[in-house]
Amino acid sequence: QVQLQESGPGLVKPSETLSLTCTVSGYSISSGYYWGWIRQPPGKGLEWIGSMYHSGSTYYNPSLKSRVTISVDRPKNQFSLRLSSVTAADTAVYYCARLNYDIGYWGQGTLVTVSS
Amino acid sequence: QSALTQPRSVSGSPGQSVTISCTGSSSDVGGYNYVSWYQQYPGKAPKLMIYDVSKRPSGVPDRFSGSKSGNTASLTISGLQAEDEADYYCCSYAGSYTWVFGGGTKLTVL
Repeated sequence: QVQLQESGPGLVKPSETLSLTCTVSGYSISSGYYWGWIRQPPGKGLEWIGSMYHSGSTYYNPSLKSRVTISVDRPKNQFSLRLSSVTAADTAVYYCARLNYDIGYWGQGTLVTVSS
Repeated sequence: QSALTQPRSVSGSPGQSVTISCTGSSSDVGGYNYVSWYQQYPGKAPKLMIYDVSKRPSGVPDRFSGSKSGNTASLTISGLQAEDEADYYCCSYAGSYTWVFGGGTKLTVL
């Protein structure tokens, strides 16, 4: 079955760049669907960050667009998130996911804390 | 892109029915039949419960149902059980390959 697993640093300093990778198993990213990132600040709701179509086209939340980059590493069946110039407001659990018009598969999530 | 509006909390007794609303606009909920609902337990990833407004993925009990009228979607849980106590989020496709979530609703089973 399809499984997603996030990895990356759990602590990032303010003004630096947050980088996370999602490793997908059980399905080839290149075969279809959108692949994206969703975050959830502690005690708050979900926020869609952005998505990448299997062809490589990317789409971002307008509120984060200037700071976000999603990219793919097809040989490794991975996709990545980079969020620049982070502040404490970017502290959240970050989930990677497979999207259609719904989100059927989620990673377990990884907490990223922005702090000096 | 504004978050969809959900009640912060709802409650019901075992066996009763509860409905959670999700209000958006003609640019998201009202414009597409792509509303989905997610159940989330503390410390866990969300789980898809309803997609395409009213469809249930395999394995989701038929106690869960979805509907939409205009710019408002609804999730109804009938025959409430203790295990239904969780946070629920709606999500809508918002065009141009973007998605928007609701703020979440905490369901308490009394």
